[in-house]
Amino acid sequence: GAGVSQTPSNKVTEKGKYVELRCDPISGHTALYWYRQSLGQGPEFLIYFQGTGAADDSGLPNDRFFAVRPEGSVSTLKIQRTERGDSAVYLCASSATGDRPPDTQYFGPGTRLTVL
Amino acid sequence: GNSVTQMEGPVTLSEEAFLTINCTYTATGYPSLFWYVQYPGEGLQLLLKATKADDKGSNKGFEATYRKETTSFHLEKGSVQVSDSAVYFCALSDREGGGSYIPTFGRGTSLIVHP
Repeated sequence: GAGVSQTPSNKVTEKGKYVELRCDPISGHTALYWYRQSLGQGPEFLIYFQGTGAADDSGLPNDRFFAVRPEGSVSTLKIQRTERGDSAVYLCASSATGDRPPDTQYFGPGTRLTVL
Repeated sequence: GNSVTQMEGPVTLSEEAFLTINCTYTATGYPSLFWYVQYPGEGLQLLLKATKADDKGSNKGFEATYRKETTSFHLEKGSVQVSDSAVYFCALSDREGGGSYIPTFGRGTSLIVHP
C-alpha cells in the first residue's frame, strides 16, 4: 500500500519568499505530525494534528510557520518570509490514532528546503 | 523537559562484529521508547519499541531493553551486516503535562559496516 508522501522533494527559494510543503498521509490515519530535521540532528517536533485540528503546535518556532489539515487527510505546512535558518529537511509522519500506547509513526521521505 | 542522548558517531565496524549504540533519556513522565533507522536515501522507519520497564523490543536481529533504573535503552545486535549501515535514532514519547504524545528524538548515530 501507499506510504506517506511529501511534495516537493526539494524546494529552493529566496529569502523573504513564501513556501508551502505538502504531506499525504497513509489513508485512514487520523494523526499527522510535522518535524524539522537540520543536518546532523534528529527530527524536531513542530505540530501534531488529530483529524482536522491542531492538537499541539508547541513546536512551531514562530508565527511565520503555520500548518493546516482542512479535511483531515492532506496537510500543508506554510512558511512565510522565509529565512536562511529555515533551511532543513521537513518531515511528515502519520499514525493510526496517536493515542496510548503510542502507536507507530510512518514517515515520509521529507522535503529538503533551501533558502538562499 | 524531555531529552534523549545517544552516542556520537560514526560507529565503524567490520561485518559480523557486535554492535552497541548507547541511548539514555530524561523524561518527566513514564515514556515509551523507540529506535528508528534511516537507510541511505530513505525515510525514517520504526525499528523497535518498548512501552514499559524491562520490556525488550526486537526486530531484524536488533534488541533494546527498557531500563528504568538507568534511564537507558541501548541498541544491540550480535552480528552486523553491511546492509545495516544507516543512521539510528533513539526516541521517547511522553505526555508532558498531560498533553499529547509528542516524540523527542536523539541526534542520531551513523553506523558504517565494512565487508
